[in-house]
Amino acid sequence: NAGVTQTPKFQVLKTGQSMTLQCAQDMNHNSMYWYRQDPGMGLRLIYYSASEGTTDKGEVPNGYNVSRLNKREFSLRLESAAPSQTSVYFCASRWDRAGEQYFGPGTRLTVT
Amino acid sequence: ILNVEQSPQSLHVQEGDSTNFTCSFPSSNFYALHWYRWETAKSPEALFVMTLNGDEKKKGRISATLNTKEGYSYLYIKGSQPEDSATYLCASDSGTYKYIFGTGTRLKVLA
Repeated sequence: NAGVTQTPKFQVLKTGQSMTLQCAQDMNHNSMYWYRQDPGMGLRLIYYSASEGTTDKGEVPNGYNVSRLNKREFSLRLESAAPSQTSVYFCASRWDRAGEQYFGPGTRLTVT
Repeated sequence: ILNVEQSPQSLHVQEGDSTNFTCSFPSSNFYALHWYRWETAKSPEALFVMTLNGDEKKKGRISATLNTKEGYSYLYIKGSQPEDSATYLCASDSGTYKYIFGTGTRLKVLA
């Protein structure tokens, strides 16, 4: 089992460009999450998907959109990147609303 | 407490020392408290999930306790080793799909 995978690992964007971060899990988990991690801020929830076909905003959703493509895949889109979106992005999944989360390896995004 | 607070922010200990950190969390709407270990350049890995007041969990030299009435949890490391160097995160879980993470305690164990 690969667990939670994310692509790409690194990305540099110019202000105004768009991109999609991909996440997939092979553990048959129902819920999936996108976090961003900034120095001194800890992990902050951007969006989550409780189950296939549903998505909800987290703590910092502005500037992002998500798609739960199927049970395995949950993508995060930046429509018009801004320097404030420079961060490390982690995808996570878990079985349901209880239990531990399993994290992907992260995507380091720099917006210049 | 509305947020999850961890203390200290960072600490350095000598190899062989025992150490502990604190996680304070909202005691209302409590469902579970999670501890994660996060090594540099890796992703967080779950250590413990704790749900019951008075719960104590142990994994090797690492243990954790939980007080849901007053909203705190302690993580203990006995006989710290250099490989214990990491950031230790706690997260409050209200059972609504969303966690609230603390900012972590950064531990450096000096050989």
